[in-house]
Amino acid sequence: DIVMTQSPDSLAVSLGERATINCQSSQSVLYSSNNKNYLAWYQQKPGQPPKLLIYWASTRASGVPDRFYGSGSGTDFTLTISSLQAEDVAVYYCQQYCITRTFGQGTKVEI
Amino acid sequence: QITLKESGPTLVKPTQTLTLTCTFSGFSLSTTAVAVGWIRQPPGKALEWLALIYWDDDKRYNPSLKSRLTITKDTSKNQVVLTMTNMDPVDSATYYCAHSGAVDGYTFDVWGQGTMVTVSS
Repeated sequence: DIVMTQSPDSLAVSLGERATINCQSSQSVLYSSNNKNYLAWYQQKPGQPPKLLIYWASTRASGVPDRFYGSGSGTDFTLTISSLQAEDVAVYYCQQYCITRTFGQGTKVEI
Repeated sequence: QITLKESGPTLVKPTQTLTLTCTFSGFSLSTTAVAVGWIRQPPGKALEWLALIYWDDDKRYNPSLKSRLTITKDTSKNQVVLTMTNMDPVDSATYYCAHSGAVDGYTFDVWGQGTMVTVSS
């Protein structure tokens, strides 16, 4: 099965500064047939279910602010929050969705 | 508007079988390119995907839990049912169901609020 590893486990960022979260998969999640990376990012705030932020590694879901930016391909991916806002405090998860699904262990973002 | 709601017991005993129901609205599981998945989260821990059922009754399971899981659908009731056998205290978690569609390659784009299940004698 594909293992997803996120780094760091937690990070503290000042308001207005950039936050960067990395995600590595144990095997490529890029499908050559359609050139798409089957990699998603979710945000989970305390007491709430996760919210889809990014799919296809870099496509923002509906209503997601453009300060959230996904990049990467193959096995290495990054979620960037360009200017951290107070409401962005949450745990962020990457997920591969090739045939089965696997989540990373999560990255806690604090102010 | 798509909504999903999980229901089931809040407390089960070790070795018992857990049955959870996801009741949804705003879409049909008889529509092409739609799926519903189950995901769980132990308190303070990460998300763990459990199972996924597609509109055509194709099913996918977490390989590490496959022998214990069964996912089924009842399109007439707009429900998906997950059963997990031989429950253990480590299976205590919040269990979520979520909508999945082909537009984004079958990620989980809408989630239920989750239901907490505790396994204890």
